[in-house]
Amino acid sequence: NAGVMQNPRHLVRRRGQEARLRCSPMKGHSHVYWYRQLPEEGLKFMVYLQKENIIDESGMPKERFSAEFPKEGPSILRIQQVVRGDSAAYFCASSPGLAGGDEQFFGPGTRLTVL
Amino acid sequence: KQEVTQIPAALSVPEGENLVLNCSFTDSAIYNLQWFRQDPGKGLTSLLLIQSSQREQTSGRLNASLDKSSGRSTLYIAASQPGDSATYLCAVNNNAGNMLTFGGGTRLMVKP
Repeated sequence: NAGVMQNPRHLVRRRGQEARLRCSPMKGHSHVYWYRQLPEEGLKFMVYLQKENIIDESGMPKERFSAEFPKEGPSILRIQQVVRGDSAAYFCASSPGLAGGDEQFFGPGTRLTVL
Repeated sequence: KQEVTQIPAALSVPEGENLVLNCSFTDSAIYNLQWFRQDPGKGLTSLLLIQSSQREQTSGRLNASLDKSSGRSTLYIAASQPGDSATYLCAVNNNAGNMLTFGGGTRLMVKP
């Protein structure tokens, strides 16, 4: 059973470009979470999605950031018009959604560098 | 708002020592608490998950305890090895939502 897959593992963008980060949850998992780890800071929750629904986006910046988890295909975290402050490691986690608070499994992360 | 604190922020010990990492949280209304390991430049590996109704969990040389009422958890590592060197993260899952709130981590160095 493959773990959580994220791609790309490393992404370099220039200021003003768009960044698309992909996350494929573990097989059988229907809940996806995105977290961000800024340099020298802890991990912070961004958004929680189930298939075709955003459940909680309280940690996601209101502008330039969006997330989706379509019926088919991976979850996408999209950052428009990137700025240097978006440089960070972005981690995706998934859980089976069997009960409240079930265990989350993390992917290897995408390290975004904005030049 | 849940806040999670980990003490110490960094720890260096000689190989073979037993050690304790501490985690405290401000809101005791949690589903569970997870301990993770993160190696430099890598993702997070889940070590132990303790449900709110449990007092401890064990896996190999690792033992995690949970005292929900006092808002504390400890991760005990027995007979530490250089391969244990990593950052250890504590995260709580609140009743009010399904997101994890992370502590700042403890950077552990085990010297041969």
